[in-house]
Amino acid sequence: AQSVAQPEDQVNVAEGNPLTVKCTYSVSGNPYLFWYVQYPNRGLQFLLKYITGDNLVKGSYGFEAEFNKSQTSFHLKKPSALVSDSALYFCAVRDTSGTYKYIFGTGTRLKVLA
Amino acid sequence: DTGVSQNPRHKITKRGQNVTFRCDPISEHNRLYWYRQTLGQGPEFLTYFQNEAQLEKSRLLSDRFSAERPKGSFSTLEIQRTEQGDSAMYLCASGKGASEAFFGQGTRLTVV
Repeated sequence: AQSVAQPEDQVNVAEGNPLTVKCTYSVSGNPYLFWYVQYPNRGLQFLLKYITGDNLVKGSYGFEAEFNKSQTSFHLKKPSALVSDSALYFCAVRDTSGTYKYIFGTGTRLKVLA
Repeated sequence: DTGVSQNPRHKITKRGQNVTFRCDPISEHNRLYWYRQTLGQGPEFLTYFQNEAQLEKSRLLSDRFSAERPKGSFSTLEIQRTEQGDSAMYLCASGKGASEAFFGQGTRLTVV
């Protein structure tokens, strides 16, 4: 079965510092990996995805993610955090068996402190 | 607005009542998903449509839940005889081909 794990419930970082939100995955076959962000009482917004190609993927709002096949990880990063980045972040893997359903992690709450 | 639209945004209902939610996907998207999200949890898959065909339904979905997507356009999710445990955010998403899914803002259901 395909799954993702987000080992940290919460990550605190000072504004201006680099941030990392961790994600590991378990899939059969090639992984299709995604990061979404959720603000309070809102739906999920797409940040970036890895399908194939370069291991470093750039996305919206200055975020990037590094795909590491040997470590089965897809960590989300940003060089300089903003207070407005404070939100709930979800890593997801897309099922490759035909339905293209997304399997989400439990989420990591990011708090950027001024 | 060309995004995924969900209505209503909020619904409060008494236990035992039926509720129906609507999702209007992005117009050219053939894939449509329903998810449920409870506080502090990630979205849980409920069901998936490709055009008008319901191709997968989660075992989490009891017989009280039903979804339709007539003519492959909008979709409805109905919950019959609501229970307090049904209180959650219900999210709809749509996608096309191999692209990422785009989510609506969700319908928050409160069963009292």
